[in-house]
Amino acid sequence: GAVVSQHPSRVICKSGTSVKIECRSLDFQATTMFWYRQFPKQSLMLMATSNEGSKATYEQGVEKDKFLINHASLTLSTLTVTSAHPEDSSFYICSASRQGNNQPQHFGDGTRLSIL
Amino acid sequence: QKEVEQDPGPLSVPEGAIVSLNCTYSNSAFQYFMWYRQYSRKGPELLMYTYSSGNKEDGRFTAQVDKSSKYISLFIRDSQPSDSATYLCAMRQMDSSYKLIFGSGTRLLVRP
Repeated sequence: GAVVSQHPSRVICKSGTSVKIECRSLDFQATTMFWYRQFPKQSLMLMATSNEGSKATYEQGVEKDKFLINHASLTLSTLTVTSAHPEDSSFYICSASRQGNNQPQHFGDGTRLSIL
Repeated sequence: QKEVEQDPGPLSVPEGAIVSLNCTYSNSAFQYFMWYRQYSRKGPELLMYTYSSGNKEDGRFTAQVDKSSKYISLFIRDSQPSDSATYLCAMRQMDSSYKLIFGSGTRLLVRP
């Protein structure tokens, strides 16, 4: 199988706090990881593509200084929401792919972030 | 017009029914096609993954891709209440970005 673990699953914190979310590929090496945001009853919105050892590629409209991504190893990528505000409350999901053009993305179970 | 169109449902069927879920797309460069199942408050789970046109079967699930019509389908046989979830189609081009384009998802409810 291809297991992706995401932690924490739920975060509730005060406005102004920075929150770090981890995404790990447990049984394979992931040269590429992706971070998505999902609003209720909507599909996934790609925020950024994270490549091991290089800077992340952000989608248009996503603030790179707000959403810091680090992909320091082939099994771990982190998303830090800096100085979070209530409008950042959402469901954040990561995915990972094995190396190779024909490899599908496997998703973590998501992190529900609530900023008070 | 969205690149990938998917009826949001909800689709309600009795247990044991055959379910047909569909997506249409506009970009002829899409080569890889996926179906994901997403339960509430969980991440998407990969169900089927196909390359180019054709059929693929896995247990109760069959995926079909018709590139000439830009139309993909997922069939679920002998549907169970545990199949109740949102089904997302996704597709991508054969390029180095690996970027997926998702449908909006179809909510399926299988009634006992």
